[in-house]
Amino acid sequence: GIQVEQSPPDLILQEGANSTLRCNFSDSVNNLQWFHQNPWGQLINLFYIPSGTKQNGRLSATTVATERYSLLYISSSQTTDSGVYFCAAMGNTPLVFGKGTRLSVIA
Amino acid sequence: GAGVSQSPSNKVTEKGKDVELRCDPISGHTALYWYRQSLGQGLEFLIYFQGNSAPDKSGLPSDRFSAERTGGSVSTLTIQRTQQEDSAVYLCASSLGLGNEQFFGPGTRLTVL
Repeated sequence: GIQVEQSPPDLILQEGANSTLRCNFSDSVNNLQWFHQNPWGQLINLFYIPSGTKQNGRLSATTVATERYSLLYISSSQTTDSGVYFCAAMGNTPLVFGKGTRLSVIA
Repeated sequence: GAGVSQSPSNKVTEKGKDVELRCDPISGHTALYWYRQSLGQGLEFLIYFQGNSAPDKSGLPSDRFSAERTGGSVSTLTIQRTQQEDSAVYLCASSLGLGNEQFFGPGTRLTVL
């Protein structure tokens, strides 16, 4: 089945800094999603982005399907951005999740 | 509109007991999924439904796990003779169709003593 790898595993940022999170996947995908898991465990949908580029406020994402990677950009980070960011990809079976990037934004 | 809901939010049970977890998907979503997140682990796919049918049950960890969906809506995940290693957060998601964007519920935290 499809493999999903995320990097870096951990990231510490000063408030206001920018960051890029990466997701590599091993096969062609029908669906790719980015989630933020908040401290209460809820998975918040950030982007549904099997290909192309999308932006939502301070967040944007790009998926290059032909090269099998996706990037999540966080600009002007805030302490509320802290948490775990998951990338999940779907080939022929439902979503396969990466292990996540744990982001800590400090004031 | 209403999102995916799950009940109970927390369940503590004794080893060997059976438990039933419930998921109410977003209205109109034909696909429904169950995942499990163990402490310190990633999210593990368990089973999905397209309508009331579960085409692939290979993700279920053992034959103690079963799931059903009725009326193309509510789904229940049943764990028989629970073991301590079953302790985890069980997450349900739904999507308009298979391959569409998935939306997750808040999860059920299961603790087996």
